[in-house]
Amino acid sequence: GAGVSQSPRYKVAKRGQDVALRCDPISGHVSLFWYQQALGQGPEFLTYFQNEAQLDKSGLPSDRFFAERPEGSVSTLKIQRTQQEDSAVYLCASSLAFDRPNTEAFFGQGTRLTVV
Amino acid sequence: QKEVEQDPGPLSVPEGAIVSLNCTYSNSAFQYFMWYRQYSRKGPELLMYTYSSGNKEDGRFTAQVDKSSKYISLFIRDSQPSDSATYLCAMTRQGQGNLIFGKGTKLSVKP
Repeated sequence: GAGVSQSPRYKVAKRGQDVALRCDPISGHVSLFWYQQALGQGPEFLTYFQNEAQLDKSGLPSDRFFAERPEGSVSTLKIQRTQQEDSAVYLCASSLAFDRPNTEAFFGQGTRLTVV
Repeated sequence: QKEVEQDPGPLSVPEGAIVSLNCTYSNSAFQYFMWYRQYSRKGPELLMYTYSSGNKEDGRFTAQVDKSSKYISLFIRDSQPSDSATYLCAMTRQGQGNLIFGKGTKLSVKP
């Protein structure tokens, strides 16, 4: 596709439910990032993949959060036993650069998660 | 104190005005500085990217980085209603796999 695609766009989950958020990066992009954006805040880093390797997961807020990218392309962010504080927009970004993966990242439109 | 500080606004200006958006930061190791524009219910879109200190111009947009003061700016000339959005500064250093964002400044350009 032309850009980073995320699905679903909107997700309402009951507290305690497990959710899975999908990210399709731009074809050929080596680096993939997940961010969490609370209302009125800037995005906050969750985790980073280079191909299938998860190189940094320091931003994951708890062990209820898990991310994978098994074939180095599509990634899934899973949240177990959702809590109200998990309500946020989850953004995925991908980047072509291998030596400077932090820069020139292209973002998807995000998945808006509401936990009720 | 957060690593990146950005006044959230909101900022309202008339069409045609020059807009100045700013961020300060505390980590002197940051080397890459970016400005993103985010429309409501959309993902951030990269506007400008600068490495180290200096100025960079792209059309109506100018990005400035002053590493000695740990201060970055984005100027928008001849602002248009279509520029109404939230502007996010972001920065990182070599070898770091993530961006550190400011809170974002919400800009409204009135016709």
